[in-house]
Amino acid sequence: DVKVTQSSRYLVKRTGEKVFLECVQDMDHENMFWYRQDPGLGLRLIYFSYDVKMKEKGDIPEGYSVSREKKERFSLILESASTNQTSMYLCASSRYRGTTNEKLFFGSGTQLSVL
Amino acid sequence: TQLLEQSPQFLSIQEGENLTVYCNSSSVFSSLQWYRQEPGEGPVLLVTVVTGGEVKKLKRLTFQFGDARKDSSLHITAAQPGDTGLYLCAGSRSNDYKLSFGAGTTVTVRA
Repeated sequence: DVKVTQSSRYLVKRTGEKVFLECVQDMDHENMFWYRQDPGLGLRLIYFSYDVKMKEKGDIPEGYSVSREKKERFSLILESASTNQTSMYLCASSRYRGTTNEKLFFGSGTQLSVL
Repeated sequence: TQLLEQSPQFLSIQEGENLTVYCNSSSVFSSLQWYRQEPGEGPVLLVTVVTGGEVKKLKRLTFQFGDARKDSSLHITAAQPGDTGLYLCAGSRSNDYKLSFGAGTTVTVRA
């Protein structure tokens, strides 16, 4: 079965810190995604990548950047963390690029608190 | 504004009762997916529907895609405590292969 691993289950950071969230998938999937999940808002797409070194903005990219240097790894970077970035962050992957009904495989999430 | 509106937001029922969760939009989707998320875990895909009017069954769960492909429903028959979780619908439009998620319905089944 596909495994999507997020490096931290819980993180506590201070306002202004640079934060790295790491995600690794083990099934050679082309697509990788970063979502944030907030109560009452569901999952909102931050960034996604369909190939190494490629990235595309999702619906809420402001304040975030991403890096995909290797196919299996997709990193989310908060350049200067702010309190409104306190949230659950979910990484996901899917097999093929450009299809509309691909199954997403999710990691267990990273609960980030910015104080 | 959410592209996909789910209702109700919360649902608490007794074991053995039936329940229905709705997912509605003004947009047409090429496919719609339902995920279930348990506490401390990421969402897990339950089903994908792609044809207007399609009905899929997964044991006690029945999923329907509206004829116009703008809405979907999830019906659980004789709910069990193991059905407790956050149910999320997610849709993909033909010109955009990103998934858009609804806000979710939290279902609690009491023993």
